[in-house]
Amino acid sequence: RKEVEQDPGPFNVPEGATVAFNCTYSNSASQSFFWYRQDCRKEPKLLMSVYSSGNEDGRFTAQLNRASQYISLLIRDSKLSDSATYLCVVNDNNAGNMLTFGGGTRLMVKP
Amino acid sequence: DTGVSQDPRHKITKRGQNVTFRCDPISEHNRLYWYRQTLGQGPEFLTYFQNEAQLEKSRLLSDRFSAERPKGSFSTLEIQRTEQGDSAMYLCASSFDPNHGYTFGSGTRLTVV
Repeated sequence: RKEVEQDPGPFNVPEGATVAFNCTYSNSASQSFFWYRQDCRKEPKLLMSVYSSGNEDGRFTAQLNRASQYISLLIRDSKLSDSATYLCVVNDNNAGNMLTFGGGTRLMVKP
Repeated sequence: DTGVSQDPRHKITKRGQNVTFRCDPISEHNRLYWYRQTLGQGPEFLTYFQNEAQLEKSRLLSDRFSAERPKGSFSTLEIQRTEQGDSAMYLCASSFDPNHGYTFGSGTRLTVV
């Protein structure tokens, strides 16, 4: 079983739609959580951290459910420019505080 | 540019050759990470430095791979006797506090022919 699992998609949605991605993680001791965005053939870039109380940044809302060990990302009013791969990332609080990445969920927003 | 820099951006090499990549982290960041990413997959951890000390190495890092970070500044990743399976994007990242995530460089795309 992978440490961080995501549905690879692709999710094909029209502009203006609301889309949600989920991610599950296996290590219950994980301490911090993130969503990264990766455009084709580019490096991953931090989209937002995920806090226990949930957090929102404009059209993006992230939620964490520690009991069920899953993380979600909601994108409202999708834009063409939101088309990318969204990586769910977990800090396992191990010795080096390395981040473990999911395989990514691909989003395609169509006009 | 105050971001993470990687050099070269692209490298094509023949199987069996040695290659070396360089990463210059953000200057205030004491932690430096190397990851490898293949098409359709998320980045996979290779190794981690805190200052000049290499503290963690993944099982993915075979004996043909070696990384250094002399003086705790830039880092190099060397692959000896490259194989076609080494073809991937090699990403370097740095952080000061990993609880706030990492900053990645643009990566070095390696193609072994």
